[in-house]
Amino acid sequence: GDSVTQMEGPVTLSEEAFLTINCTYTATGYPSLFWYVQYPGEGLQLLLKATKADDKGSNKGFEATYRKETTSFHLEKGSVQVSDSAVYFCARAGANNLFFGTGTRLTVIP
Amino acid sequence: NAGVTQTPKFQVLKTGQSMTLQCAQDMNHEYMSWYRQDPGMGLRLIHYSVGAGITDQGEVPNGYNVSRSTTEDFPLRLLSAAPSQTSVYFCASRETSGGRSDTQYFGPGTRLTVL
Repeated sequence: GDSVTQMEGPVTLSEEAFLTINCTYTATGYPSLFWYVQYPGEGLQLLLKATKADDKGSNKGFEATYRKETTSFHLEKGSVQVSDSAVYFCARAGANNLFFGTGTRLTVIP
Repeated sequence: NAGVTQTPKFQVLKTGQSMTLQCAQDMNHEYMSWYRQDPGMGLRLIHYSVGAGITDQGEVPNGYNVSRSTTEDFPLRLLSAAPSQTSVYFCASRETSGGRSDTQYFGPGTRLTVL
C-alpha cells in the first residue's frame, strides 16, 4: 500500500556537521512530497515541499530533491546548528490527507 | 492571523469519560483534519472535512466523532474515552479541499492522557 519510510533515529550530530535524513515513498503516480519539522512542545510546520518529479525544495539551508527513479525525497543540510534540533517528518500527499513517516529526532550538540 | 488554534493543551480523563477537543482556524480554509501522533507511528488521520457540513473518516476513526457546522471550527469528540486514546492530537487545515500540494497548517496540539 501507500506508505512513507524514513530513516529511524535518533540522530546526534555536532554543530556544523552534514545532515542527511533518508525518505522513500510508495505511491501510484507522482504525489507532492513534504518535509515537516516539529520543534519541542510545538505543532508541525512545513519545512519544504516539492510538487513534481525533479523539483528541489529548499528552506533555511535544508534541501530535498524529488527523485522519481528512486522514489526518494532525502533531506540534507550542509551545516547543522543547535537550533535545528527537532523531529523531522517526511510526508506524501494522498487524496484527502498526508501520509507521514515515523519521524526522525535530530539532536545537534555544540 | 492566529492560524490554527487548539484547546486544551493538556487533558487527563478517566476511562469512560467524554470530552471535546476544540480546533479553530482563521484563514478561511476549506479543508480541516484531525491527526493523532503516537510514538514510532508518525501521524495518523482520524477524520477530515472538505467544507462546512461535510465530514469523512480517516485511517483511525473509531471512538471519535466530528462535525463541521462552520468553516472556522472543527471539534473532535471522544464519547467514551479509552486508554488506547492516550495520544497527542493535532488539528490541521489547508486552503482548498482538492489542493494536494497545498501546505497544511498544524495547531500546537492537545496532549491527552486516559487513565
